[in-house]
Amino acid sequence: AQSVSQHNHHVILSEAASLELGCNYSYGGTVNLFWYVQYPGQHLQLLLKYFSGDPLVKGIKGFEAEFIKSKFSFNLRKPSVQWSDTAEYFCAVTGTGANNLFFGTGTRLTVIP
Amino acid sequence: DAGVIQSPRHEVTEMGQEVTLRCKPISGHNSLFWYRQTMMRGLELLIYFNNNVPIDDSGMPEDRFSAKMPNASFSTLKIQPSEPRDSAVYFCASSLDLDSLLVFGPGTRLTVL
Repeated sequence: AQSVSQHNHHVILSEAASLELGCNYSYGGTVNLFWYVQYPGQHLQLLLKYFSGDPLVKGIKGFEAEFIKSKFSFNLRKPSVQWSDTAEYFCAVTGTGANNLFFGTGTRLTVIP
Repeated sequence: DAGVIQSPRHEVTEMGQEVTLRCKPISGHNSLFWYRQTMMRGLELLIYFNNNVPIDDSGMPEDRFSAKMPNASFSTLKIQPSEPRDSAVYFCASSLDLDSLLVFGPGTRLTVL
């Protein structure tokens, strides 16, 4: 069965700290992987995606994620967070050619100025 | 483009009442998805349509939930009767087709007292 695990439910960091949010998935076959972000009071937005090719994916706002197939992981990273990165982050997976995303339960990031 | 439009943005109702959530997908998008977001379960796919036809409604929690898509520019998600445990944010998303990326609407925050 398809599933996505985000083990960090709430992460609190100071500005300029480095960030890594974990994401592990269970999915048979070739996968497409996504990170979505939901800023306070706003709706979900795509942060970055991986379909194929270079497993290190660059997204918007300085975020990146690395697909490690052997570990079934797609962790999100940012070298130096800002207060404006305070949001909820969702990892999602779907199979190739499908669009019914399976989401993790989300990680709330709070950045303290 | 106005993006995916959902109404109402907030709905507060009493247990037992009928609730109807509305979604207008992006013009030209042929696939439409309804998701529910709760603290406990994160984002869950409820149902999705392709060319106005329901493809998979296995995520609909129970018979109290129903969804329709009478035409390419409008979809409803109805809960009758509503219960407090239905309180959540309900997202509508659309995409060009089942292989394309989703664009999410702003969500409807439903509170059932």
